[in-house]
Amino acid sequence: NFMLTQPHSVSESPGKTVTISCTRSSGSIASYYVQWYQQRPGSSPTTVIFEDNQRPSGVPDRFSGSIDISSNSASLTISGLKTEDEADYYCQSYDPSDVVFGGGTKLTVL
Amino acid sequence: EVQLVESGGGLIQPGGSLRLSCAASGFNVSWSYMTWVRQAPGKGLEWVSLLYSGGSTYYADSVKGRFTISRDISKNTLYLQMNSLRAEDTAVYFCARDLRRTGWYSHWGQGTLVTVSS
Repeated sequence: NFMLTQPHSVSESPGKTVTISCTRSSGSIASYYVQWYQQRPGSSPTTVIFEDNQRPSGVPDRFSGSIDISSNSASLTISGLKTEDEADYYCQSYDPSDVVFGGGTKLTVL
Repeated sequence: EVQLVESGGGLIQPGGSLRLSCAASGFNVSWSYMTWVRQAPGKGLEWVSLLYSGGSTYYADSVKGRFTISRDISKNTLYLQMNSLRAEDTAVYFCARDLRRTGWYSHWGQGTLVTVSS
């Protein structure tokens, strides 16, 4: 088993750029894809990034994902922040017998 | 259009049993990787169980031996049988589908609330 560790919260001003990290505790971050989900209160999670750096149709290109093997981590970057981006963000990865979510990061756009 | 609709949640006493259903449309559950994920009130997402198209099943340590994931091909429905329920199982339960079999859960249901309390 492994864990994914995210910061509990981040905040930034509208128009700025924010990066949320997700560090894998064991096993290589590159071995299995990482996804990022956005969740607003009372709603189901929706995907903003899948397979490390792919955006589903309808997600603006202000959202980007990457992985860094040296730090064994993934990152979600949101540029040109808008107030509507305020939400909880979860990273997620897996291995053949396990699905793991990070603890979630509350993004505040103030 | 792909749709997942969960049902079966409710209030149940500790030690009781409940079966959740996830009715799928727009795709075949039997050909898909399916999962259950839960979210306790005010908490993060927690993976519960996984069912591969080939039939292999996996469980989080917190539910192993108490929960069983299964599917009914004729009804195109995924299930989660939950036994020996505990207060800490209180959560909204979501079913989700791995569209590309790459660990990406592209489609989620709206969730069903399970409350374990006396």
